Amino acid sequence: AQKVTQAQTEISVVEKEDVTLDCVYETRDTTYYLFWYKQPPSGELVFLIRRNSFDEQNEISGRYSWNFQKSTSSFNFTITASQVVDSAVYFCALSDSNYQLIWGAGTKLIIKP
Amino acid sequence: GAVVSQHPSRVICKSGTSVKIECRSLDFQATTMFWYRQFPKQSLMLMATSNEGSKATYEQGVEKDKFLINHASLTLSTLTVTSAHPEDSSFYICSARADGTQDTQYFGPGTRLTVL
Repeated sequence: AQKVTQAQTEISVVEKEDVTLDCVYETRDTTYYLFWYKQPPSGELVFLIRRNSFDEQNEISGRYSWNFQKSTSSFNFTITASQVVDSAVYFCALSDSNYQLIWGAGTKLIIKP
Repeated sequence: GAVVSQHPSRVICKSGTSVKIECRSLDFQATTMFWYRQFPKQSLMLMATSNEGSKATYEQGVEKDKFLINHASLTLSTLTVTSAHPEDSSFYICSARADGTQDTQYFGPGTRLTVL
């Protein structure tokens, strides 16, 4: 069975702190894609990153970075020097062979000024 | 690029009426669109997969006669909630997958439906 687990329900940090959001997945597919989406209070889902299962290189985009570890089936997301605007719910998702997304429960990130 | 619009953003209706929600891919063609429902503080629940020119595929437990989906063109899919009841109140989100984008779904801003 395919599954995505985001064990952290809610995280609260003070602005400028670094924060890591965990994502662990389960799949029997050898080819798959992993995603992170951000959902701010407005509700719109914002695409952040897609990672192919064959590409284990870590990725950095500004203050955002992602650590993909196939050995531990994890795809963690780190925000460095967090800002209040980063406050949102973040979802990790896995794409199955039918192109449907298997969603994690989401992690609510609160950045306090 | 990859912008998806959804209309209306909010709708309030009386119980028993039908509500139509439109989802449009503005700058790309989408063979496949998805409709989700999201309850407060929960993750997204896939309702159905909409393929252009064919019948939608509904997830288990989703009534196809209740939630009518039409994908008439490569840029437009509609969800009609028929005979809406208060329990249908929710946040409905559509997404579109552009061909050749390696499974990436781009999401609309969502529609907040309140049935009185």
